[in-house]
Amino acid sequence: GAVVSQHPSRVICKSGTSVKIECRSLDFQATTMFWYRQFPKQSLMLMATSNEGSKATYEQGVEKDKFLINHASLTLSTLTVTSAHPEDSSFYICSASARLALGPQYFGPGTRLTVL
Amino acid sequence: KQEVTQIPAALSVPEGENLVLNCSFTDSAIYNLQWFRQDPGKGLTSLLLIQSSQREQTSGRLNASLDKSSGRSTLYIAASQPGDSATYLCAVESSNTGKLIFGQGTTLQVKP
Repeated sequence: GAVVSQHPSRVICKSGTSVKIECRSLDFQATTMFWYRQFPKQSLMLMATSNEGSKATYEQGVEKDKFLINHASLTLSTLTVTSAHPEDSSFYICSASARLALGPQYFGPGTRLTVL
Repeated sequence: KQEVTQIPAALSVPEGENLVLNCSFTDSAIYNLQWFRQDPGKGLTSLLLIQSSQREQTSGRLNASLDKSSGRSTLYIAASQPGDSATYLCAVESSNTGKLIFGQGTTLQVKP
C-alpha cells in the first residue's frame, strides 16, 4: 500500500516552454501533497505544500508564478514549471500524506527535468 | 530553524563490515525521524521511521536509534553488502509545521 506515482519520469524541453508533472496517490487519499526539488549531489528541498482544494503554500524563495501547483483531487497534484529555463533543470519529487498535519509522507519516484 | 546534518558525507567500506551513519538536528521539537535510501537517479525508499516517543526501530540488518534530547540519530547497518551502496538520507518531521527537513545525505559504497 501507500504507492505514489509520478509522470513523466523524464522530460527534456526547450527553454521558454512549460512542463507539467503529475503526482498521483494510487491506493490512498492524499489530503496533503508536497513538492521537493533536488539538485545533483544535494539533498531534497521543500518547494511547496498543497492541501486538496486549497492554494499551495510556497517555501521562501520559491516563485509561485513560476511553479504552479494544483491539487484538485485527493489523488492528484500537478506541478507546472512555466517558461522553463536551464537553471530549472533538476530532479522533482512529490510526496503524499493522508493527514492534514503530521504523519508519514510517501514519496514518488521523481521526475528528471532537463531544460535545453 | 531546524537544521539537519549528516556525517560522514561519504563512506567506503569492504563488504561484511558493520557501519554507523550519523544524523543530528538542532530543534528537538520533532514528530518523527525517518531514514531513507536513494539510489542514483531514483526516488526515495523509506527504511525506518522512529516516532518522537520511541528510542529505536529495527528492520532486518538495519537499526536506527533516536535521542531526541541530544538531537541525534544513528543508522546501524550490520554485515554490509554491495547492494547496500546508495545515498542514505535522514529527515525530521517538525511537530510545529509538519514539514520534513532533510540532511545532505551519506553516500555509501560497499566494495565486494
